[in-house]
Amino acid sequence: NAGVTQTPKFQVLKTGQSMTLQCAQDMNHNSMYWYRQDPGMGLRLIYYSASEGTTDKGEVPNGYNVSRLNKREFSLRLESAAPSQTSVYFCASLDRNEQFFGPGTRLTVL
Amino acid sequence: QQQVKQSPQSLIVQKGGISIINCAYENTAFDYFPWYQQFPGKGPALLIAIRPDVSEKKEGRFTISFNKSAKQFSLHIMDSQPGDSATYFCAASRLNDMRFGAGTRLTVKP
Repeated sequence: NAGVTQTPKFQVLKTGQSMTLQCAQDMNHNSMYWYRQDPGMGLRLIYYSASEGTTDKGEVPNGYNVSRLNKREFSLRLESAAPSQTSVYFCASLDRNEQFFGPGTRLTVL
Repeated sequence: QQQVKQSPQSLIVQKGGISIINCAYENTAFDYFPWYQQFPGKGPALLIAIRPDVSEKKEGRFTISFNKSAKQFSLHIMDSQPGDSATYFCAASRLNDMRFGAGTRLTVKP
């Protein structure tokens, strides 16, 4: 099992560009999450999906959209990137209270 | 408003010493309190967790102490080792809602 995979690992964008971060899990988990991690701020929830076909906003959803494509895949889209979105992004899936995290995507917006 | 407050931000301990990290939460509806360990360049991974019906849980050198009335919990790492050097996050959750503390960077000096 690969667990939770994320692509890309690194990305540099210019202000105003758009991109989609991909996440997939092969553990058959229902719930999936997107977090951003910033120094001194911990992990902040952007969006989550409790099950296929549903998505909900977290603490910091502004500037992001998500798609739960199927049970395995949960993507995060930045429509018009801003420097404030420079961060490390983690995807996770949930099984009986334990969250399993992917390796992260380090995004820099210039 | 941060629902889970974690301290200290950073901690330096000698090999063989005890590392103590503290967390406090606001929402009494939270019913699951995990600690995650994160090494540089990796996603967080579950270390140990506790539910509020017990006051202490021990797994090897790692112990969680839980004080429900004070809405506080702490992680104790006994006989700290250089390999324990990592960032530690406390969290509090209920159902799909998990809130993380800001993290503690632990350095164990040989």
